[in-house]
Amino acid sequence: GENVEQHPSTLSVQEGDSAVIKCTYSDSASNYFPWYKQELGKRPQLIIDIRSNVGEKKDQRIAVTLNKTAKHFSLHITETQPEDSAVYFCAAAYSSASKIIFGSGTRLSIRP
Amino acid sequence: SAVISQKPSRDICQRGTSLTIQCQVDSQVTMMFWYRQQPGQSLTLIATANQGSEATYESGFVIDKFPISRPNLTFSTLTVSNMSPEDSSIYLCSAPGSGRSTDTQYFGPGTRLTVL
Repeated sequence: GENVEQHPSTLSVQEGDSAVIKCTYSDSASNYFPWYKQELGKRPQLIIDIRSNVGEKKDQRIAVTLNKTAKHFSLHITETQPEDSAVYFCAAAYSSASKIIFGSGTRLSIRP
Repeated sequence: SAVISQKPSRDICQRGTSLTIQCQVDSQVTMMFWYRQQPGQSLTLIATANQGSEATYESGFVIDKFPISRPNLTFSTLTVSNMSPEDSSIYLCSAPGSGRSTDTQYFGPGTRLTVL
């Protein structure tokens, strides 16, 4: 089955700097790669996703890249703000309607 | 988007008892999913709840411990049976839906279970 590895487990960056979280997956049949943000005590919320027919996707300060050959995908947050502090999870699935396998999570802290 | 509700939001239970968690989706979906999130950990998939057939369980999870019902296309239940303190966790259901710019999966608010 699918296995998703995520690094780093914790990340602290200065406000205004960029943050990068990296993930790898094992199942070459995976085609859908969502990223979720989870604030303390709340449910995971999708922040961006990418499908295997696209190499990069951007939404304002957030971007995701996908290298399907290497089975790598990454989340980039630019101009970080205090409200970006949360736990971020990468994930992989065959499709957006199928079961999702999560990475272990990255706790992002933004230093003022 | 999919609006997903869960009941109860939290419960404190005694060892050896069972708890049934309900998940309601505001639109008809073929599959619903149940996850467990232990404190400070990631989400682990328990099973896929298929309407009209038995649930499909992931490795490490069995039907006797986590029986699932899926009576229709908008509702599912997960029962945590014969509970022990190790079952203390947050249990979340999810279902696919259409978002602002993407089809994705949405999560319910979770059920925080504490077993004494």
